[in-house]
Amino acid sequence: SQELEQSPQSLIVQEGKNLTINCTSSKTLYGLYWYKQKYGEGLIFLMMLQKGGEEKSHEKITAKLDEKKQQSSLHITASQPSHAGIYLCGADIGTNAGKSTFGDGTTLTVKP
Amino acid sequence: DTGVSQNPRHKITKRGQNVTFRCDPISEHNRLYWYRQTLGQGPEFLTYFQNEAQLEKSRLLSDRFSAERPKGSFSTLEIQRTEQGDSAMYLCASSQRYNEQFFGPGTRLTVL
Repeated sequence: SQELEQSPQSLIVQEGKNLTINCTSSKTLYGLYWYKQKYGEGLIFLMMLQKGGEEKSHEKITAKLDEKKQQSSLHITASQPSHAGIYLCGADIGTNAGKSTFGDGTTLTVKP
Repeated sequence: DTGVSQNPRHKITKRGQNVTFRCDPISEHNRLYWYRQTLGQGPEFLTYFQNEAQLEKSRLLSDRFSAERPKGSFSTLEIQRTEQGDSAMYLCASSQRYNEQFFGPGTRLTVL
């Protein structure tokens, strides 16, 4: 989606390394979601951020929302092969109607 | 397993045929969404329901597409006179109002 830009498009890291994925919106964000998808499967919900400055963590994954910059980042600490997959950000953009726009995803490969 | 189920998981059809997909959401969720996803792209919003009411429909949804959610429970998405460009993964998601969406495993459609 051009409304939500994710970077990088793909990422290859060595197991144990940290990494960050960014998601930038061209419009006002009303809620930002992070999902993980394995090829050919549905999306698995990771985290939801609703307030500027909010930060959430789950296991080794941390997500932050910078409302002023209309940007969110997803940080993985000490990556493992189980972290491999496609990470997608989704957001309710420009209106609070509840439908979501998604970025095109970041494909993460973790080399053992 | 997110609790959202979709059937069938795979559908191969010939151009010009009609196809119908079914989505069973998490039972207490009042919102149900349909998305389409092609390779290398994030999900694109098609339509969503709040209970049995179809509240929004994307401009992507041509007249050949119709969705229903009778009684506010399961939903069906029908594509009439399929075209090769309809080949994609069709994803269904459900949520409680303004909360995160839980996705089903998707139905992969191939139009020959």
